[in-house]
Amino acid sequence: DQQVKQNSPSLSVQEGRISILNCDYTNSMFDYFLWYKKYPAEGPTFLISISSIKDKNEDGRFTVFLNKSAKHLSLHIVPSQPGDSAVYFCAATVNTNAGKSTFGDGTTLTVKP
Amino acid sequence: DSGVTQTPKHLITATGQRVTLRCSPRSGDLSVYWYQQSLDQGLQFLIQYYNGEERAKGNILERFSAQQFPDLHSELNLSSLELGDSALYFCASSPGDRDNQPQHFGDGTRLSIL
Repeated sequence: DQQVKQNSPSLSVQEGRISILNCDYTNSMFDYFLWYKKYPAEGPTFLISISSIKDKNEDGRFTVFLNKSAKHLSLHIVPSQPGDSAVYFCAATVNTNAGKSTFGDGTTLTVKP
Repeated sequence: DSGVTQTPKHLITATGQRVTLRCSPRSGDLSVYWYQQSLDQGLQFLIQYYNGEERAKGNILERFSAQQFPDLHSELNLSSLELGDSALYFCASSPGDRDNQPQHFGDGTRLSIL
């Protein structure tokens, strides 16, 4: 049973437009969510996170929205740039003093110039 | 540069063999995590160590084991290798033992079983 799902394997947008990446989860115990970006031949790098006590967190061009009732979160990138082309992973955790991050399978974003 | 170092970058070996993957965490980080990424899939959590002690375990096979040494570097040992073990293995580190801290990833070790 996959607890974190990214249903869109790929997304293509035009430079300057908005990119919206989606993530759904099934475990209601998850209370902290993170987005990571991964370029080829590199490890994932942390992008932005959100706690379950919030419904929005913004950092520059990146905004994450959390809808707890729908068990859904999304990452908005505005405006999208060609350098944003990468694989984006959604991860969810339970904020205990131990544990693991459960990752989705990733969405490949391509931003066309 | 994440500050997390993984060696080797590539490893090619045969079925039935044993390999050791090494990870040096970012300076000051006490937690080390190991993940497996098979082709076009997400990262599967294997195991977490915090300050030398095992803290959490995922779907790690019994043929796999790990440890974290006093200098905080970690090793992942894979034995009796099978073709299905071919994957990217990532190590990550974080300052503490809580999962609400972003993890810093190394660039991975690509393991190919022939």
